[in-house]
Amino acid sequence: DGGITQSPKYLFRKEGQNVTLSCEQNLNHDAMYWYRQDPGQGLRLIYYSQIVNDFQKGDIAEGYSVSREKKESFPLTVTSAQKNPTAFYLCASSINYNEQFFGPGTRLTVL
Amino acid sequence: EDQVTQSPEALRLQEGESSSLNCSYTVSGLRGLFWYRQDPGKGPEFLFTLYSAGEEKEKERLKATLTKKESFLHITAPKPEDSATYLCAVQAGRGSTLGRLYFGRGTQLTVWP
Repeated sequence: DGGITQSPKYLFRKEGQNVTLSCEQNLNHDAMYWYRQDPGQGLRLIYYSQIVNDFQKGDIAEGYSVSREKKESFPLTVTSAQKNPTAFYLCASSINYNEQFFGPGTRLTVL
Repeated sequence: EDQVTQSPEALRLQEGESSSLNCSYTVSGLRGLFWYRQDPGKGPEFLFTLYSAGEEKEKERLKATLTKKESFLHITAPKPEDSATYLCAVQAGRGSTLGRLYFGRGTQLTVWP
């Protein structure tokens, strides 16, 4: 089955700790995206990548980092510089700049 | 600045009571408008893409329409399983940001029996 997987489903982070969220797709899509979703707010773009080894900052990139070493994978690291990381994180992919397809999400909680 | 506004924020319908959700947008060179459905704790599920004013698309009880300034998601005779948050997003046609989607905050729909 083709699709997007995200892991883990739930993640807990201690103060000052970096954590990495995984996103993998087997749809052969070129573009991949990371969004953050907070209650009552729309999806906000963190980073996106349109091709391997290249990525661009979105609207709220501060405190986050990404890599795109493989077409299938686009991991997101939430660093200790992100002061309010508790949120629902969504990964998406698309082909030819058309509709984006989303993974199931990772819920990150700061302890 | 590209903006997407959805209304109402929340909508409660009785089963069978038809209604519409609105998505108004301001974007330079609309390339596409997208509707998604999101259930609690899950990722958004793609529903429709609309590309030009006058275009309409249907799927079961849902029908999406597009004008030059807004889109409507019409829900005909809804059922409780249609309860979800419906998200609207637009894509601009500018080269440097091609592929980016700008999302509204969503409309939370509740359909009660």
